[in-house]
Amino acid sequence: GEDVEQSLFLSVREGDSSVINCTYTDSSSTYLYWYKQEPGAGLQLLTYIFSNMDMKQDQRLTVLLNKKDKHLSLRIADTQTGDSAIYFCAESANYGGSQGNLIFGKGTKLSVKP
Amino acid sequence: ETGVTQSPTHLIKTRGQQVTLRCSSQSGHNTVSWYQQALGQGPQFIFQYYREEENGRGNFPPRFSGLQFPNYSSELNVNALELDDSALYLCASSALASSTDTQYFGPGTRLTVL
Repeated sequence: GEDVEQSLFLSVREGDSSVINCTYTDSSSTYLYWYKQEPGAGLQLLTYIFSNMDMKQDQRLTVLLNKKDKHLSLRIADTQTGDSAIYFCAESANYGGSQGNLIFGKGTKLSVKP
Repeated sequence: ETGVTQSPTHLIKTRGQQVTLRCSSQSGHNTVSWYQQALGQGPQFIFQYYREEENGRGNFPPRFSGLQFPNYSSELNVNALELDDSALYLCASSALASSTDTQYFGPGTRLTVL
């Protein structure tokens, strides 16, 4: 079945770049997403990439997609303490009869040290 | 434009009780999806409602049920609560029930079952 995997923890120093990696299994996924969750809060959509793209850049965020290896990464340039949060990778899926529900990884907890 | 809202914020129930959680979708969105996020896990898809009909379901038992109203707001009902139902319940709305459409999440309802 579908599965999304992420490393659980990443620690970086303020000002460095952060790279969060994700692998997914459903090659038919149309979109792949990155969501951010701060403590006690819901999910904030950060960015997404269409499956026929290799790269998408949005200010400090760069998403790279390797469709052959089913590997997705999120790079955050000039990481700030405010970027400390849990980052979820998600793929769009069509199961259970629905269109467009999401399958999430377990999340990567990013800690930014001053 | 109003975002996705959920109520209540927090809820404490005892095992065997029933609970109703509410979600108002983002303006212009007719599709609502519900997710359960257990502590330390990624969100898991419960079901989706599109134009007042259930439009797909994840691997959750029938005691999880829902409704969508003509204004596209939605309820999640859980009967015969179990301890493992303790989680953050997230609602997401989208403009279409489609794998190409982005889902926007509310802040969630934290349910604790004692």
